[in-house]
Order: sequence, then structure tokens, then C-alpha cells
Amino acid sequence: GQQVMQIPQYQHVQEGEDFTTYCNSSTTLSNIQWYKQRPGGHPVFLIQLVKSGEVKKQKRLTFQFGEAKKNSSLHITATQTTDVGTYFCAGPLNSGNTPLVFGKGTRLSVIA
Amino acid sequence: NAGVTQTPKFQVLKTGQSMTLQCAQDMNHNSMYWYRQDPGMGLRLIYYSASEGTTDKGEVPNGYNVSRLNKREFSLRLESAAPSQTSVYFCASKRGTANEQFFGPGTRLTVL
Repeated sequence: GQQVMQIPQYQHVQEGEDFTTYCNSSTTLSNIQWYKQRPGGHPVFLIQLVKSGEVKKQKRLTFQFGEAKKNSSLHITATQTTDVGTYFCAGPLNSGNTPLVFGKGTRLSVIA
Repeated sequence: NAGVTQTPKFQVLKTGQSMTLQCAQDMNHNSMYWYRQDPGMGLRLIYYSASEGTTDKGEVPNGYNVSRLNKREFSLRLESAAPSQTSVYFCASKRGTANEQFFGPGTRLTVL
């Protein structure tokens, strides 16, 4: 079945350093979504990418969707302690109204 | 709007006991989902309901049953709890095909 892989599993950075997490799918995705889960919390939607090669920015966060629509990345510039948490990518299982398949997530720790 | 609510927040069961996890959403969403989250395993789909009156198995359905009681409510039942079902359970909902998922706060279940 479809798989969504994320790397790295963990990342520890000093505050102010940059951070990137990568997501790869075994199949072409119609769209990809990114979620953030704070420690002890629940996943919260960040963004959805739909178009091949799409790049979207949210303040210090930059999201990219690959040209082949099989990979994506989230880059955080100058991390802050508020960025701590686990970042998940997710893609639909199939076309239409189907469930999302989540990557295992990248846990980010920021050392002040 | 309360969004997605889950009860209870915490639960401790003994092996063999049964219980039902409740989930409700007040956003008039069509689709609802149950996930379990274990350390290092990401979010794994247990069951989902694409619309009122339908339910389908996800990745890890064994040992669980679900009921889509109405458009608002989607419950998850453990008939005979096992220690392997110790986990954090999240309910989620979404409006349509390519929309974000909204997650509830989670239920932390321990089976002794």
C-alpha cells in the first residue's frame, strides 16, 4: 500500500538555527498536508499544497511540493522555542474522499 | 464552536474490560476518523466514516469496532481490552474531499 516516509525522525537544534524535514511518498499525491503537534497536544493543520512545484510561506516556515508530486519539505528559518513539536506530513490514500496516510513525523527540539 | 470533543480524556482499564470512546464534532463535517498514536509510530488509522451511515476499516482495525451514530458523533469501542491497545486515541473530522482534518484533544488509554 501507499507509504509516506519522513526524515529525520528527530532533530535537535540550537535556537536560531534552521530546520528542515523531508517527506517522500511511494506514489504520486494529489495534495500533501502538513500538521504540527505540540508536546502533549493534538495535531493541528498547518498547510496544504496541491500544485506541482508549489512553494508556500508562513512567516518563518517554507513548504515545498516536488515537481513529481511525490515529495515535500518543510523548512523553518531561525528556529524559536515555540517551534518545538512533531511535524507530520500526510497525503490522501487515493483520489477522492479517502483517508490521509501520515508520515511518522519529525520531532523537533530547540535548545535555548 | 467546540470543534472536535472527545471523552474521556484519560482511562485505565484492566485486560478484558470493555469501553467506548466518544467523539463529537459541531462543524457539520461529513467525514470522521479514529487514529491511535504510539511512540515512534506516527498516527495510524483505525476506522473511518466517509459520510453518515458508512464506516470502513483503516490500517489497524483489529480489536476495535465503531459506530457513526449520526453526523455529529463517531464512537470507538474496545470489546476486550488488551495491553497492546495502550495508546493515545485521536478522533478527527473533515468537511470534504481535499480539506484539512480537525483533531480532538485525545484520549490517553492504559490497559493493565
